Amino acid sequence: DIVMTQSPDSLAVSLGERATINCKSSQSVLYSSNNKNYLAWYQQKPGQPPKLLIYWASTRESGVPDRFSGSGSGTDFTLTISSLQAEDVAVYYCQQYYSTPSFTFGPGTKVDIK
Amino acid sequence: QVQLVQSGAEVKKPGSSVKVSCKASGGTFSSYAISWVRQAPGQGLEWMGGIIPIFGTANYAQKFQGRVTITTDESTSTAYMELSSLRSEDTAVYYCARDQGVVPADWGQGTLVTVSS
Repeated sequence: DIVMTQSPDSLAVSLGERATINCKSSQSVLYSSNNKNYLAWYQQKPGQPPKLLIYWASTRESGVPDRFSGSGSGTDFTLTISSLQAEDVAVYYCQQYYSTPSFTFGPGTKVDIK
Repeated sequence: QVQLVQSGAEVKKPGSSVKVSCKASGGTFSSYAISWVRQAPGQGLEWMGGIIPIFGTANYAQKFQGRVTITTDESTSTAYMELSSLRSEDTAVYYCARDQGVVPADWGQGTLVTVSS
């Protein structure tokens, strides 16, 4: 099974500042035949289901603000919130779908306002 | 956009089974994968299994093999997840989610299953 890890476990960032979350997979999730990274990011606010933010490691889902961006390849990935807004307080999860139809999530990173 | 509406909260005894439903409206039901993901209180997300209705064969996480059954009823655009031999550790919110062609994008509101004697 592909194991996902995330760092940090939590972070507090001032409004308007950058937040950076890291995700690492235990094996590469880059599929060589199409050169795509099978990695997604979700945002979950308290009492709500997860919301898809990014897939293919860097493609924003429709309607997601452009302050959210994803980067990385192979086993190391980053979610960046360029200018943190109050509504971005949430837990963020990375997810690999390389082993589709099964997939695994990272443990989550909690983002708060400093 | 697809809306997924799940059945209501359940309280179950250890050793019993629970069946959660997930009814889809809007969009095509049969062609996209439906996944079931659970979240224990204060914990992260855990994929349990999934199914593409048009194919009908479900895939399950190894952890739940033999205890979980995922089915669909295309006539009512409804997916089901049944979990048997319940134990206290199965207390969680259970979500259904539908792919947008790549990964789960549309999620149900969640169903709280509480296992308690």
